[in-house]
Amino acid sequence: DSGVTQTPKHLITATGQRVTLRCSPRSGDLSVYWYQQSLDQGLQFLIQYYNGEERAKGNILERFSAQQFPDLHSELNLSSLELGDSALYFCASSVGYGGRGYEQYFGPGTRLTVT
Amino acid sequence: AQTVTQSQPEMSVQEAETVTLSCTYDTSESDYYLFWYKQPPSRQMILVIRQEAYKQQNATENRFSVNFQKAAKSFSLKISDSQLGDAAMYFCAYRSSINTGNQFYFGTGTSLTVIP
Repeated sequence: DSGVTQTPKHLITATGQRVTLRCSPRSGDLSVYWYQQSLDQGLQFLIQYYNGEERAKGNILERFSAQQFPDLHSELNLSSLELGDSALYFCASSVGYGGRGYEQYFGPGTRLTVT
Repeated sequence: AQTVTQSQPEMSVQEAETVTLSCTYDTSESDYYLFWYKQPPSRQMILVIRQEAYKQQNATENRFSVNFQKAAKSFSLKISDSQLGDAAMYFCAYRSSINTGNQFYFGTGTSLTVIP
């Protein structure tokens, strides 16, 4: 158990809908990262927050957005869902960002299925 | 952006034997971190081993060791005395050490089968 929690574990929804994925980082971690893993693919970095502020953005679609709240939990919002958005979405957390020695700990993932 | 390449989509090994998974990467940075993650059927990402680019000594963790060739930008994972529980998808990952987003760049993975 990495200490990172993600809810829900599974999510099934229809095209055009909007969903919210939630992540709680490990106690003491200020950075949260979101990754998308499509079928049989590696993980693609979406976005990172550090202490409530966006720090880095990867290949995140405009239909997707995220935020990190004062209690440090983060939410990833996916809207106007398409079949291709079906994937496993991972959250990871670390103490800080940049520099040396900041391990990232991954949550168990949320499996999103768009039908 | 940095790219990570795993050229072996699938590998198999006999139980108790040794297997080596390959990984190459492309970067212009001189200081960075490299990782191997294991993803079993449960889909949990499990850190296997990490290597700091500024360290010449290859990292080892029990039965897992790496062969880090910085000039060749190569980072292979050797699993010795393979066990059935080693069967999983293995991902190589790169992370910059400069003060930016600190995100991982992952390869596409190698699926390892362990044959009893």
